[in-house]
Formats: sequence, C-alpha cells, structure tokens
Amino acid sequence: GQNIDQPTEMTATEGAIVQINCTYQTSGFNGLFWYQQHAGEAPTFLSYNVLDGLEEKGRFSSFLSRSKGYSYLLLKELQMKDSASYLCAVRDGDYKLSFGAGTTVTVRA
Amino acid sequence: IAGITQAPTSQILAAGRRMTLRCTQDMRHNAMYWYRQDLGLGLRLIHYSNTAGTTGKGEVPDGYSVSRANTDDFPLTLASAVPSQTSVYFCASSDTASTSGGTDTQYFGPGTRLTVL
Repeated sequence: GQNIDQPTEMTATEGAIVQINCTYQTSGFNGLFWYQQHAGEAPTFLSYNVLDGLEEKGRFSSFLSRSKGYSYLLLKELQMKDSASYLCAVRDGDYKLSFGAGTTVTVRA
Repeated sequence: IAGITQAPTSQILAAGRRMTLRCTQDMRHNAMYWYRQDLGLGLRLIHYSNTAGTTGKGEVPDGYSVSRANTDDFPLTLASAVPSQTSVYFCASSDTASTSGGTDTQYFGPGTRLTVL
C-alpha cells in the first residue's frame, strides 16, 4: 500500500507563488500525478512525473525526487480561479493510483 | 466528445435498497475505475477493470460489485446500501492499465453524490 501526506490547507495572495509538498512511502512506484479539483467537480489532470526533476507547464510546475519520496507542485502568478483542492497521487507497481487527502488552496485578493 | 458520463448526478437512497451507478466512456479506454471520495480521506479505489471482461478489487471493495461487459460501460452496484456508503462516487478511465511506457493518465467523470439514509 501507499502512505501519501500533503498539507490540509494553504492560503496565498493573488499573484504570489505557492508550493504544495507531497511525501509518499510506496512498495512500488510507477509515477506521480497531480490533479486539481474545484469544489463539487471532478479531479482534472495537471501533471505527471516519473523521473527525478522538474516538469513545467505554464504557471504550474511539478518536481519529483524518488530517492526522497518527495514531490511538490508549484503554482506561480496565482489567480483567483486557482482556488481549489490539489491532489497528489502515486501509481504503484500494479498501476493503481493511491491519492493523498488533498490540499485546499485559497487565493485571496 | 463527452468523455466520461455518470448517472445519476445525485441520489438519496433508503438503507437496504439496491442501487446501480452508471458510468460510460467514449474514449475507447481499456481500463476503468470506481473511487469514492470522503471528506478528509481523499479518493479511495473500490473496484477496477483492466479490460472488458475482467475486474479486480481495490482498497475498499466490500458492499460493492462491478461488471465490465464491454469497453464503454462500467456499472457499480450496491446490493444493499448502508449509511456508511454515503459518499461521492467517481468513475475514471485510462488508456491502458499497464504498459512499458506512456502516461496512462486517469480521466474522471463528473461524479455521483449518494446519500444513504
């Protein structure tokens, strides 16, 4: 099984940068995903890391260190629409996803 | 392209009743999944299907059953609903369950909010 930890809540100001950390313990590893979920909606795919390093996609970047069991999602130039929950998910050796409980980010004007 | 559809959107159900949640995808993905999402617990896998005709148990399968008669449909059945099954249920699909390469990203349906009284 997997043990995935991420902070429950974070608050930041519009235009700022926020970093959401995710640590995991896994019996097998086949990639780490970040999803965004607005209240009352489905999770939507943001990013995928399977090798160590940084993946950048516009205002969002995701980093992975497999040796440390650690990832972060970096949100730059925060906008009000970025207020949402961000879910860290690890894919195990059987290609099943295990999710963290999610980090609720609130962007304030 | 609709992606993944789920029905109903929401349902209130008396305990002991049987209920089937429907999930249909039009992306020709071979793998499909059912999750439940509860406050503070995140998404938990109930059942999955790697390809039509096969199913498997996830983390929390008790009280639920699934079938996969074809590629597009993956219904979830609660044989006799209990209040602890009150949750939001998400269906998801991915291109392939296991591969030598590729992202195999899971895409989610809009969810079904189920309340068991």
